[in-house]
Amino acid sequence: DAGVIQSPRHEVTEMGQEVTLRCKPISGHNSLFWYRQTMMRGLELLIYFNNNVPIDDSGMPEDRFSAKMPNASFSTLKIQPSEPRDSAVYFCASSFGRQSVLTNSPLHFGNGTRLTVT
Amino acid sequence: QKEVEQDPGPLSVPEGAIVSLNCTYSNSAFQYFMWYRQYSRKGPELLMYTYSSGNKEDGRFTAQVDKSSKYISLFIRDSQPSDSATYLCAMMDSSYKLIFGSGTRLLVRP
Repeated sequence: DAGVIQSPRHEVTEMGQEVTLRCKPISGHNSLFWYRQTMMRGLELLIYFNNNVPIDDSGMPEDRFSAKMPNASFSTLKIQPSEPRDSAVYFCASSFGRQSVLTNSPLHFGNGTRLTVT
Repeated sequence: QKEVEQDPGPLSVPEGAIVSLNCTYSNSAFQYFMWYRQYSRKGPELLMYTYSSGNKEDGRFTAQVDKSSKYISLFIRDSQPSDSATYLCAMMDSSYKLIFGSGTRLLVRP
């Protein structure tokens, strides 16, 4: 099992540009999470999908952020237009089941996309 | 005030030392308590989890939860240089939402 795969690993872009981050969850997992990690705020949940349906997007900072999951094996997080304050490491994570701990299925994280907006 | 507070460190110890990592929290609804380890430029990985109060041991690692004090700890015995990483506590109520601490960076010196 290759684990959760994220691309690209690094992204450097200029303010105002569109950024698309990609995630392939572990096969068979039906819950997918996007997190953002910064020194100041730590790991924050942005959005949660269950069976490809967005369940909770209350963590999405603003309308510039959008996420999709067109099928069980692919999700995207898009920022348009990007701003310097969006610079962070963005993690995708997947698990089997809505409550990953109760079903004894831990959350598996990808290795993240480091985004720098200049 | 953050829901989960964690000292960012860094914490530097010699090889073989006992390490104590801690988090405090404010939400009494939290029932599940986890520790994640994150190596540099990698995603967090689950190390241990406990339900409600008490202790749980796994090899050199012991997780402790004191719900009355809203305080959780992770102890590492006989620490190794390979334990050098950032350790994040995480908590969950009855929903799916994990709330993470900001992480403590640990350095174990050979």
